[in-house]
Amino acid sequence: QVQLKESGPGLVQPSQTLSLTCTVSGFSLTSYNVHWVRQPPGKGLEWMGRMRYNGDTSYNSALKSRLSISRDTSKNQVFLKMNSLQTDDTGTYYCTRSRSLDYWGQGVMVTVSS
Amino acid sequence: DVVMTQTPVSLSVSLGGQTSISCRSSQSLVHSDGNTYLYWYLQKPGQSPQLLIYKVSNRFSGVPDRFSGSGSGTDFTLKISRVEPEDLGVYYCYQGTHYPYTFGAGTKLELK
Repeated sequence: QVQLKESGPGLVQPSQTLSLTCTVSGFSLTSYNVHWVRQPPGKGLEWMGRMRYNGDTSYNSALKSRLSISRDTSKNQVFLKMNSLQTDDTGTYYCTRSRSLDYWGQGVMVTVSS
Repeated sequence: DVVMTQTPVSLSVSLGGQTSISCRSSQSLVHSDGNTYLYWYLQKPGQSPQLLIYKVSNRFSGVPDRFSGSGSGTDFTLKISRVEPEDLGVYYCYQGTHYPYTFGAGTKLELK
């Protein structure tokens, strides 16, 4: 069955870089797009960007200067890197599949704090 | 960016009752390929969002027919009939037509 699972550090210091991994199973990264979505505590959802099946990327313009999405198809993994983290980057980060966001990971909570 | 305006912010409904949520976009969501990439999700407390409706009116696998979506262009509606306890949570609309993709602010469905 289709599964996505996010992993990464729960705590990041301000101004540092966040690195998250999304490990997928049940589908191929060369056939489906993978998106990243985040949610501040108690707030709504924000689309961050996506890795396309062919390796192309698209980013939310509000984050573009800080965000990078890459992948390793041999490991079925998609990576998110975002630099210059601030406290308002605190929240749950999800990876999800395809334009319809049909399957979601459980999310990983990231706290930006010193 | 396309702004997705959801109303109301919160809803109070009786079990077995019916309700609807509105979602309006600041631009038409008709893509150049002819599809309208408007989706609805439910996020239950402590869980990841789950897809309910894709491309305006299509129920995702396993979604009960109590959920229905309609609309076109910039004006969309999610209807929930015969509300059950597992329907409670926050509902989001989302557009996948224009970059950056954007979500509505959410509508919280609570029991009356």
